[in-house]
Amino acid sequence: QVQLQESGPGLVKPSQTLSLTCTVSGGSISSGGNYWSWIRQHPGKALEWIGCIFYSGATFYNPSLKSRVTISVDTSKNYFSLKLSSVTAADTAVYYCARERRHFDWNWVDPWGQGTLVTVSS
Amino acid sequence: DIQLTQSPSFLSASVGDRVTITCRASQGISSSLAWYQQKPGIAPKLLIYAASTLQSGVPSRFSGSGSGTEFTLTISSLQPEDFAAYYCQQLESYPLTFGGGTKVEIK
Repeated sequence: QVQLQESGPGLVKPSQTLSLTCTVSGGSISSGGNYWSWIRQHPGKALEWIGCIFYSGATFYNPSLKSRVTISVDTSKNYFSLKLSSVTAADTAVYYCARERRHFDWNWVDPWGQGTLVTVSS
Repeated sequence: DIQLTQSPSFLSASVGDRVTITCRASQGISSSLAWYQQKPGIAPKLLIYAASTLQSGVPSRFSGSGSGTEFTLTISSLQPEDFAAYYCQQLESYPLTFGGGTKVEIK
């Protein structure tokens, strides 16, 4: 079964770029019907969808973050990545990668990676 | 963006209780709604999608209903392992959005 694992620095300085990678195992990132997503959760808060990418490279971003977000995919290495530029303390959160699965008329997000805490601090 | 309002935000209940959580959408989303359970320090777990379809492996005491703008998650008989936070999510259109969450605690 598909499993996802986030990796990247746990500490980023203000104004710099947050970079995370999600490695997909147990299945091909190029499988149809899958949109590879990033979701974050501020400490003690609700979940916020950041955006997603199809294996072709088509992307969808949250308008609230769109000017700072880039999601990319590497099908040869079976991973996708998140870059968030010009970070501030407000970007401190647990970042999850996940699969949005689309099947006929319905979609859902499953599975999720374990999440990685990224702290923005000097 | 489609806003989701969950209620209550906090719920105190006992083992064996029937629990209902409501999620209201700011506009119609057909049945494009999912429910997740999250325990502290752990990623959310999918419980229900398409408003009422139970994800494989999820106990049958969980059920979902609704369509359009009003949805409910029901736990028919609360078990000790069910004390957690619950979130609804709409998947009708991007950006995907989540409700504010409901924390279910032991009375």
